[in-house]
Amino acid sequence: AQKVTQAQTEISVVEKEDVTLDCVYETRDTTYYLFWYKQPPSGELVFLIRRNSFDEQNEISGRYSWNFQKSTSSFNFTITASQVVDSAVYFCAPIQGAQKLVFGQGTRLTINP
Amino acid sequence: DTGVSQNPRHKITKRGQNVTFRCDPISEHNRLYWYRQTLGQGPEFLTYFQNEAQLEKSRLLSDRFSAERPKGSFSTLEIQRTEQGDSAMYLCASSIPGLLNTEAFFGQGTRLTVV
Repeated sequence: AQKVTQAQTEISVVEKEDVTLDCVYETRDTTYYLFWYKQPPSGELVFLIRRNSFDEQNEISGRYSWNFQKSTSSFNFTITASQVVDSAVYFCAPIQGAQKLVFGQGTRLTINP
Repeated sequence: DTGVSQNPRHKITKRGQNVTFRCDPISEHNRLYWYRQTLGQGPEFLTYFQNEAQLEKSRLLSDRFSAERPKGSFSTLEIQRTEQGDSAMYLCASSIPGLLNTEAFFGQGTRLTVV
């Protein structure tokens, strides 16, 4: 069975702190894709990153970075120097079957000024 | 605006009524998806189309739900005889199929409240 777990339900930090959101994806598939999406209060899901299971290189984009480790089935997302605008619900989602995203429960991140 | 557009943004209906939502995908995207999101949960897949063909339906999509994409452009999702449990955000997304799994772009959703 395939399972995506975002164990952190809510995280609250003060602005400028670094914060890491965890995601664990358990699957027997050897080839898969994982996505991170952000859902701000407006409700629209915003694509952040796509990673395939063959690529374990860390990726950095501005204040965002992603660490994918196939051996531990983890695909963690770090925001450096967090800002109030980063407040949102963040979803980790693998692709299953014919292109459907399977979302985790999400982590609600609150950045306090 | 060339993003995914959903209408209406909000819908309040009485139990037992039928409702229909519309999604206009990004113009060159031939894959279209419907998801449902209840409060505090991640979105759940309902169905998806490639052009006008409905290729997959979730078990969540009971016989009261029907989705169409008649000309391979916009799509509609109809719920008949609504129940309070249908209250949720209905999200539409579109993507371009390719050799790699391309990202889906989401609309702002239609929030349905059944009273």
